[in-house]
Amino acid sequence: EAGVVQSPRYKIIEKKQPVAFWCNPISGHNTLYWYRQNLGQGPELLIRYENEEAVDDSQLPKDRFSAERLKGVDSTLKIQPAELGDSAVYLCASRSGTGYGNTIYFGEGSWLTVV
Amino acid sequence: DQQVKQNSPSLSVQEGRISILNCDYTNSMFDYFLWYKKYPAEGPTFLISISSIKDKNEDGRFTVFLNKSAKHLSLHIVPSQPGDSAVYFCAASGSNYKLTFGKGTLLTVNP
Repeated sequence: EAGVVQSPRYKIIEKKQPVAFWCNPISGHNTLYWYRQNLGQGPELLIRYENEEAVDDSQLPKDRFSAERLKGVDSTLKIQPAELGDSAVYLCASRSGTGYGNTIYFGEGSWLTVV
Repeated sequence: DQQVKQNSPSLSVQEGRISILNCDYTNSMFDYFLWYKKYPAEGPTFLISISSIKDKNEDGRFTVFLNKSAKHLSLHIVPSQPGDSAVYFCAASGSNYKLTFGKGTLLTVNP
């Protein structure tokens, strides 16, 4: 079974440019997360989807970040315009069902450097 | 306000010995706890978990202990192997299924 797939793995852009990250969760996983991990820190939640509905986006900087999961499967996270402080690893994760304690599985991450 | 704390940024252990990684939490609503391992340039990999109704969960060389009254959990790796060298993240969740992570502990197992 394929894991969580993310692309691109690495991206270097100039500040004020847009960037987009794509995620395909594990097949059958209804819950999808986007996390951001800064250097030396643990991952922090940006947004959580249950199917196509964003049920927790309280920590998503909505002035420049947007996300969508149109058909309840794969998802895109966009930053426009990017700032230097957005340099981080963007992690997508997925989880099956709504059962208590189901494990969250992460992709390998998209490493963003803003110069 | 950091709700999940890993106070040791790094830990160095000799191969074959026990590694003990610690984690403290402040939110009493957390009821499910996980440990993830992360190698450089990879995403976190699930290692082991424990629910608040238990105080111990074991999986091979890995054991997680939970002390609810102290709001403390620990991960024991016995025996430690060089391949265990990685960053270990403690994470906690409540009914909202949101994972809150600590900052991680870099474990180095020396041959």
